[in-house]
Amino acid sequence: KNQVEQSPQSLIILEGKNCTLQCNYTVSPFSNLRWYKQDTGRGPVSLTIMTFSENTKSNGRYTATLDADTKQSSLHITASQLSDSASYICVVPIREVGNEKLTFGTGTRLTIIP
Amino acid sequence: KAGVTQTPRYLIKTRGQQVTLSCSPISGHRSVSWYQQTPGQGLQFLFEYFSETQRNKGNFPGRFSGRQFSNSRSEMNVSTLELGDSALYLCASSFEGIRYGYTFGSGTRLTVV
Repeated sequence: KNQVEQSPQSLIILEGKNCTLQCNYTVSPFSNLRWYKQDTGRGPVSLTIMTFSENTKSNGRYTATLDADTKQSSLHITASQLSDSASYICVVPIREVGNEKLTFGTGTRLTIIP
Repeated sequence: KAGVTQTPRYLIKTRGQQVTLSCSPISGHRSVSWYQQTPGQGLQFLFEYFSETQRNKGNFPGRFSGRQFSNSRSEMNVSTLELGDSALYLCASSFEGIRYGYTFGSGTRLTVV
């Protein structure tokens, strides 16, 4: 069954600290994996997209990694800021016969405290 | 460059009614996709329209339908509303489609009472 699972469900860290969020997927065939940041009441904003051949990709203080063998991705946030408080969602497209849809992880709710 | 615009921002409807939500994509984008977000189920893919044709769909009942106009603007309709349809409905637009880069709107918050 095609699934995307994220951990932890929620995380609270002090401002300035680093953290790592996890995404495990059981999707085949695999094309890409995206990380999104969603502020409360707003639409998700893309952070990065990882394709099969990419291991690491950075976007400012955000660094995503992908291990296609173990079907795991992580999002590392460096020197966290209060504005990083949001939900982080992992998304993987699933291709079926004559159809393609997106499968979303349940997200990690990150709270940064001063 | 204007982003993805969704209207209305908030909506309250009564069970049994129907509702139409609107999405204006980024200029030049041909793909518009729709999503439902609830606290219990998270984000779920509804369907995607590309050049006025439904190209992909998720696992939602036929009460959820959509269409896309020649200017790429899209509408989503939900008929016979149920309490469980209360959610944030998001649309996203893309030049190529859901497999590639897409930008979300801010969503329409639908409350069914």
